[in-house]
Amino acid sequence: AQTVTQSQPEMSVQEAETVTLSCTYDTSESDYYLFWYKQPPSRQMILVIRQEAYKQQNATENRFSVNFQKAAKSFSLKISDSQLGDAAMYFCAYSGGSRLTFGEGTQLTVNP
Amino acid sequence: GAVVSQHPSWVICKSGTSVKIECRSLDFQATTMFWYRQFPKQSLMLMATSNEGSKATYEQGVEKDKFLINHASLTLSTLTVTSAHPEDSSFYICSARRDFGYEQYFGPGTRLTVT
Repeated sequence: AQTVTQSQPEMSVQEAETVTLSCTYDTSESDYYLFWYKQPPSRQMILVIRQEAYKQQNATENRFSVNFQKAAKSFSLKISDSQLGDAAMYFCAYSGGSRLTFGEGTQLTVNP
Repeated sequence: GAVVSQHPSWVICKSGTSVKIECRSLDFQATTMFWYRQFPKQSLMLMATSNEGSKATYEQGVEKDKFLINHASLTLSTLTVTSAHPEDSSFYICSARRDFGYEQYFGPGTRLTVT
């Protein structure tokens, strides 16, 4: 079974600084998808960024980028120029094409 | 596009009663819908996967007789919590996936409080 591990229950960052959230996963599949979701206090799940495993290039969405290391099964999220609105719970997720498997989450605090 | 709604957003019911939660894909057809449960400060736990026109597939440990799922159309799935008890109080989230797609689109969630 696939597992997703987020080893940082809580992280904090100063406004305008950069922070990296860690995620590792375990799978025997070669083709899969990885996601980072943001869950603000409203609890609406918001897709931040996605990565297809067959793509070697790391995905980027504005201030958000990932470091995808397929051999190491690592998928970290870097948030640049952190903003107060980035404060939320962040979940790393894995999909083999059907169900999503989520990590435990990392609570990000952004300090003004 | 790819908007998913849930109704109600918050429901309070008495112990022993049943409550139904609706999940709708508003601008696309959802071949598959998923139901999750989330406790405070915890991750999402998949409860079941439903495909339109067929029986739902429940995850291990989820009581199928307590959590009834019906995916009657390509835009609507319902979760009915039967004979609810206080321990069923939680946040329930649905998601929907297009045919031939891999991304899930999430609804805003429903907070259930059983008194």
